[in-house]
Amino acid sequence: GENVEQHPSTLSVQEGDSAVIKCTYSDSASNYFPWYKQELGKRPQLIIDIRSNVGEKKDQRIAVTLNKTAKHFSLHITETQPEDSAVYFCAASPRNYGQNFVFGPGTRLSVLP
Amino acid sequence: DAGVIQSPRHEVTEMGQEVTLRCKPISGHDYLFWYRQTMMRGLELLIYFNNNVPIDDSGMPEDRFSAKMPNASFSTLKIQPSEPRDSAVYFCASSPLAGVTYNEQFFGPGTRLTVL
Repeated sequence: GENVEQHPSTLSVQEGDSAVIKCTYSDSASNYFPWYKQELGKRPQLIIDIRSNVGEKKDQRIAVTLNKTAKHFSLHITETQPEDSAVYFCAASPRNYGQNFVFGPGTRLSVLP
Repeated sequence: DAGVIQSPRHEVTEMGQEVTLRCKPISGHDYLFWYRQTMMRGLELLIYFNNNVPIDDSGMPEDRFSAKMPNASFSTLKIQPSEPRDSAVYFCASSPLAGVTYNEQFFGPGTRLTVL
């Protein structure tokens, strides 16, 4: 089955700096890769996703890159702000339909003022 | 739409008691997922349904756990008997049938279960 690894487990950056979180997956059939943000005590919420036919996707300060050959994908946050502090989860989904996401273990991002 | 609704939000019970967690998915969504979140194990998929039918329950930890979806607007996750190691936050999520664009899962607020 699919296995998703995520690094680092914790990350501290100064406000305004960039943050990068990396994930690897094992199942070459996976074709959808979402990123969820979970603030303390809240539910996970989708912030960006990418499909396997796309190499990069951007949404304002957030971008995700995908390397299918190497089976890894990364989340990039630029100009970090205190409200970016949260736990970020990557996930991989092996199908287009009825996706059973396999989540990475999460990265706790702290943006220091 | 109110989003995914879960109840109760908090549950404290004693070891050996039966616990029932409830979920109402977003109307029109075809998929429903139950997750468990702990510090040690992260977000684990327990089971998911498609059109009320269980598709994959391989994540259910043991026979003490059971889940049902009697109709498109309601699902339950039951633990009987409960044990302290079941203490966790249980999330329900729903998803529409994958369309042209994306397969986002919408999470409920979670139920924080504490088994003493």
